[in-house]
Amino acid sequence: AQTVTQSQPEMSVQEAETVTLSCTYDTSESDYYLFWYKQPPSRQMILVIRQEAYKQQNATENRFSVNFQKAAKSFSLKISDSQLGDAAMYFCAYRSANYGGSQGNLIFGKGTKLSVKP
Amino acid sequence: EAQVTQNPRYLITVTGKKLTVTCSQNMNHEYMSWYRQDPGLGLRQIYYSMNVEVTDKGDVPEGYKVSRKEKRNFPLILESPSPNQTSLYFCASSLSSGGWNGYTFGSGTRLTVV
Repeated sequence: AQTVTQSQPEMSVQEAETVTLSCTYDTSESDYYLFWYKQPPSRQMILVIRQEAYKQQNATENRFSVNFQKAAKSFSLKISDSQLGDAAMYFCAYRSANYGGSQGNLIFGKGTKLSVKP
Repeated sequence: EAQVTQNPRYLITVTGKKLTVTCSQNMNHEYMSWYRQDPGLGLRQIYYSMNVEVTDKGDVPEGYKVSRKEKRNFPLILESPSPNQTSLYFCASSLSSGGWNGYTFGSGTRLTVV
């Protein structure tokens, strides 16, 4: 079974600085998708960025980018020019590329709480 | 607007009193799922449904029931709630099981069982 590990329960960053959140996963599959979700105090789950395992190029969405290392099974999130609105819980998640049954379920890490200091 | 609607947003109930949390999506998604979120444990899947009349257990199904009689609705039923079911619950949907599509989440239901 696949697992997702976020080793940093809490992180802190100064406004306008850069922070990297870590995520590792375990799988025997070669084709899958990885996601980062943001959960602000409003508790809404918001998709931040996603990565296809068969693409070597790291995904980028404005100030958010990932460092995807397939061999190391690592998927870190970098937030550049941090803003107060980035303060939230961040979840890393894994989803198989196989359709059907429990293989299609989204598997979450335990989350990293990010604080942004003004 | 494409969305997953979950109700109620907050609920306080007593042990043993049956309750239902409703979930509805307007995107014609085949796949729907329920998660509970607890501090330090992340999101854990309770049940999921791949289509109408097709449901299956997730990682923590004990004490919960679901049904999928219509494609848009996927209610979560707690027939005899207990205090250990106090949690934040999320309903989510996806175009299909697996693949590039992530989930669209509802706004969450904060349940307290006393």
